[in-house]
Amino acid sequence: AQKITQTQPGMFVQEKEAVTLDCTYDTSDPSYGLFWYKQPSSGEMIFLIYQGSYDQQNATEGRYSLNFQKARKSANLVISASQLGDSAMYFCAMRSEKLVFGKGTKLTVNP
Amino acid sequence: DTGVSQDPRHKITKRGQNVTFRCDPISEHNRLYWYRQTLGQGPEFLTYFQNEAQLEKSRLLSDRFSAERPKGSFSTLEIQRTEQGDSAMYLCASSSSGTGYYNEQFFGPGTRLTVL
Repeated sequence: AQKITQTQPGMFVQEKEAVTLDCTYDTSDPSYGLFWYKQPSSGEMIFLIYQGSYDQQNATEGRYSLNFQKARKSANLVISASQLGDSAMYFCAMRSEKLVFGKGTKLTVNP
Repeated sequence: DTGVSQDPRHKITKRGQNVTFRCDPISEHNRLYWYRQTLGQGPEFLTYFQNEAQLEKSRLLSDRFSAERPKGSFSTLEIQRTEQGDSAMYLCASSSSGTGYYNEQFFGPGTRLTVL
């Protein structure tokens, strides 16, 4: 069975600073994909970044980067230069076919 | 707007009533997924379709739940004899099929169900 663990229910960061949101996963599949989604208070899920299990380099998308440590089964999201609009719930997810989500981390960016 | 759409956005119903939600995926996507998200939790997989075929159903999908995608385009999710525990956000997502795991799922805005 696949499992995603997000141990930080809430995080606070000052505007313009970087923040790391933790995600660990468990799977017996040799191939898998890891995703991060942002869910603002409006409710829709917004795709942020993807990391394939065989990708050699850590994924980056603008201010988002994924710190992928395969041996430790971790896929932490790093948001650089936080903005007020980054305040939202963030979900880590794993995919074989369906997505398996963690419980999420609520990020609050303070001005 | 070519994104995933869901209707209605909000639904309030009394316990025991039946409700039906609709999802219109991105037109060129052949895969469609339903998830349920309760307060304070991440979304949980319910079922998914490839074209009109329902390929997987979660154990969360009790006999009171049924999903269809009759023509491989839009999908409906029906809940019969609703219970208060069914109160949740129901999310629909679509993706293209293909090799590899990077077939990004695009999510709709969700339908928030409240069962009184």
